Amino acid sequence: AQRVTQPEKLLSVFKGAPVELKCNYSYSGSPELFWYVQYSRQRLQLLLRHISRESIKGFTADLNKGETSFHLKKPFAQEEDSAMYYCALSSNAGGTSYGKLTFGQGTILTVHP
Amino acid sequence: DGGITQSPKYLFRKEGQNVTLSCEQNLNHDAMYWYRQDPGQGLRLIYYSQIVNDFQKGDIAEGYSVSREKKESFPLTVTSAQKNPTAFYLCASSIAYGELFFGEGSRLTVL
Repeated sequence: AQRVTQPEKLLSVFKGAPVELKCNYSYSGSPELFWYVQYSRQRLQLLLRHISRESIKGFTADLNKGETSFHLKKPFAQEEDSAMYYCALSSNAGGTSYGKLTFGQGTILTVHP
Repeated sequence: DGGITQSPKYLFRKEGQNVTLSCEQNLNHDAMYWYRQDPGQGLRLIYYSQIVNDFQKGDIAEGYSVSREKKESFPLTVTSAQKNPTAFYLCASSIAYGELFFGEGSRLTVL
């Protein structure tokens, strides 16, 4: 069975400090990993996906298959980054899984001024 | 305004009653999903549908039922068999692989 673990429920940093939100997964096949974000009073939305290798709002995430991790990083945190972050995994079962995602427990990031 | 619309935002239910949460989308997405969000547990998949008139159980389908008679609509019924129904429910849709578009959610409280 696939599983996603986000070990930190809460993470606090000061503005300008680096931030890393941890995500570990277990899956025997070839996973697709995503980060979703929910800002205050907004809908949950996609932040980035590993397959596109892009940087969104200064965030990056590298899939490390050896360590089964997909940590989200940003070198200089901003106050507007304060939000709930979810790591999610999709199994690629013949390309039929669509958005059948398994989510982690979520990490609340607070960036202090 | 395009997107996913969930209603009602807040719903109270007495024990033993069935309730239905509405989810409508005008994004022309094929797939739709229902997730349950509980504090400390993240989002858990209840049901999903990849095409009209077809749907699949997710990880926690017991006590729930769905229908998909139209592409735009995917209502979720929380039945009296659901032992712990108080939760926040999120509906989502997708067309591209892995990217879900979420509604604002419905909070169900059992009195």
